Amino acid sequence: SYELTQPPSVSVSPGQTARITCSGDALPKQYAYWYQQKPGQAPVLVIYKDSERPSGIPERFSGSSSGTTVTLTISGVQAEDEADYYCQSADSSGTVFGTGTKVTVL
Amino acid sequence: QLQLQESGPGLVKPSETLSLTCTVSGGSISSTSYYWGWIRQPPGKGLEWIGSIYYSGSTYYNPSLKSRVTISVDTSKNQFSLKRSSVTAADTAVYYCARHKGATVTTLSGSWFDPWGQGTLVTVSS
Repeated sequence: SYELTQPPSVSVSPGQTARITCSGDALPKQYAYWYQQKPGQAPVLVIYKDSERPSGIPERFSGSSSGTTVTLTISGVQAEDEADYYCQSADSSGTVFGTGTKVTVL
Repeated sequence: QLQLQESGPGLVKPSETLSLTCTVSGGSISSTSYYWGWIRQPPGKGLEWIGSIYYSGSTYYNPSLKSRVTISVDTSKNQFSLKRSSVTAADTAVYYCARHKGATVTTLSGSWFDPWGQGTLVTVSS
């Protein structure tokens, strides 16, 4: 198995851009996925296959990949985007979640 | 729209077996395109994948949890289940079930979870 490392927290003012990174040695070879989790709720998929956005997810959410790091970008952050965000990836026999990042909207 | 719902005891005594069931509605668990997974989240902590199952019974398990975990499927009831034996306080968590998309019988590479059930809190305490 392997690890995915995220910063514990990111703070951003409304209308600004939040960038959340996820680092792991396997990421150049494997897709990454991103989930948003609000307090008391189940995680919701916001990005799949590095940069694809599921239907119903606002366009301000985007994903990118470069080497061993993938990035979730929230453009024009809104108060409702305050949540925990987790990356996830999988290899042939297992799947792992990142350590999680708490996004605070100031 | 596909929905998943976890059910089971909210309190389990140490050394006993935790048993949970996930009921799938709005779609068939026998779909050839999907696995079905269990994920847990201790209070205030991150997500941990437990394991996943195909309608045929093919399974993948997290190596760190495999020794005391069994996941099974009942296609007649459109349900899949989780059993974790000899639980300790460290097994206290919210347990989620989810559709595991992209998984195949040969690899989990390129797989993800969507949608998720609402989760159920299981507390291990005497």
